[in-house]
Amino acid sequence: ELKVEQNPLFLSMQEGKNYTIYCNYSTTSDRLYWYRQDPGKSLESLFVLLSNGAVKQEGRLMASLDTKARLSTLHITAAVHDLSATYFCAVDMEGNKLVFGAGTILRVKS
Amino acid sequence: KAGVTQTPRYLIKTRGQQVTLSCSPISGHRSVSWYQQTPGQGLQFLFEYFSETQRNKGNFPGRFSGRQFSNSRSEMNVSTLELGDSALYLCASSLRGSSGNTIYFGEGSWLTVV
Repeated sequence: ELKVEQNPLFLSMQEGKNYTIYCNYSTTSDRLYWYRQDPGKSLESLFVLLSNGAVKQEGRLMASLDTKARLSTLHITAAVHDLSATYFCAVDMEGNKLVFGAGTILRVKS
Repeated sequence: KAGVTQTPRYLIKTRGQQVTLSCSPISGHRSVSWYQQTPGQGLQFLFEYFSETQRNKGNFPGRFSGRQFSNSRSEMNVSTLELGDSALYLCASSLRGSSGNTIYFGEGSWLTVV
């Protein structure tokens, strides 16, 4: 059974600082998704990573995938308050069947 | 273009009742999947439909069922509601049935069972 683990589960950081969220998964896969969720809202797609070594960047967020290590990272550069949200990684094993991590609650303090 | 639309957005039901939730995917998308989100269990996959066929099902009891229509719209039904069914139910759609397409989520249906 596929397990997806995120850490940390809670991250409080100062504006302007850098940090990384880690996503480990237990079974080989080369399809990994990152989502953002604001309180009371739905999931917003951030990145789709489809191959080993894939790296994607959007604004202050950069995601990467290492399929051999079964690890994806979401790096936050120079955090701003607007990035405060819950971030989920999800692994797709069987075609649009996503297994989600528990989520990382990010709070950026000014 | 319009996103994934779910109705109703909020509803309150009594234990033992049944509920039907509706989802209209993004135009042209043929894959529709459903997820349950609760504080305790997080996000869990319910089922996925492609071209009116259920291709995948999660580990939920038979009280949870769904279907997809020829226009790709989907419904899910929960019968004999239990308090533990209180959750946010999210519908997601993607262009094709193969992996790797961006999967877009709707705003969700908040179900409270009392």
